[in-house]
Amino acid sequence: ETGVTQSPTHLIKTRGQQVTLRCSSQSGHNTVSWYQQALGQGPQFIFQYYREEENGRGNFPPRFSGLQFPNYSSELNVNALELDDSALYLCASTWTSGPQETQYFGPGTRLLVL
Amino acid sequence: SQQGEEDPQALSIQEGENATMNCSYKTSINNLQWYRQNSGRGLVHLILIRSNEREKHSGRLRVTLDTSKKSSSLLITASRAADTASYFCAPSGTDKLIFGTGTRLQVFP
Repeated sequence: ETGVTQSPTHLIKTRGQQVTLRCSSQSGHNTVSWYQQALGQGPQFIFQYYREEENGRGNFPPRFSGLQFPNYSSELNVNALELDDSALYLCASTWTSGPQETQYFGPGTRLLVL
Repeated sequence: SQQGEEDPQALSIQEGENATMNCSYKTSINNLQWYRQNSGRGLVHLILIRSNEREKHSGRLRVTLDTSKKSSSLLITASRAADTASYFCAPSGTDKLIFGTGTRLQVFP
C-alpha cells in the first residue's frame, strides 16, 4: 500500500460533461502529479502541483485543470469531455518538486466517456 | 523532458527463469526509476538508481545503469507467476517523470 487513495474507482460520463477526480496523498507529501493512461500505453504526464501551485504541465489542453489543497488532497477536473478522454487516471505524490524522487501512486480512477 | 523506451515490448518466460528488460533514454539524468504495474492498477515503485551508481540490488531485482550508453537494465531472477505485470522505466533529469510504453512480462507457472 502506498498510502495514496483515489476516488471514485470507476466513472462513466457522456461526451460534453464535466468530471472531477480526487486524490488523497500521503501526509507530508507536498507534490502531486496526475497522469492519464490509455489502454496499452504508458502513463502520460498531465501536470504537477507543488505547494498548491501548478508546477509543470504536459501536452494537455486547458480543459484539464487541477487543484491542490493544504490537507494533502487534490483534484483533477476535465471539462467538455471527449471520447478520447476515456482512460485510467493516476495521481502520484512525493515530498519534493526537485529532481524526481520516488513517486507513490494511487490505484487510479477508470473513466469511460460514452 | 526525458522519456525512457523499454525493450522488449513483451516477454514471456517460465517460472524460475530470469527476465531481463532494457531501457534507453536520450539526455542526461539525475536518476532512473523502475516501476511495476499490475493490470489496470496503479504503479508501484521498484527501485531508483542514481546517475553516479552502476548497479543496485533489491531482493530478486538487479538494476544496472550505463550513463555512457544512456541505458539501463532490470533483471528479475527466479521469476514467479506473481511477477506478471508491465514494467516501466522513468529517467529523471530536472524535469518531471515521463514514462514509455513499458515491457509486458508474462510468467507462466
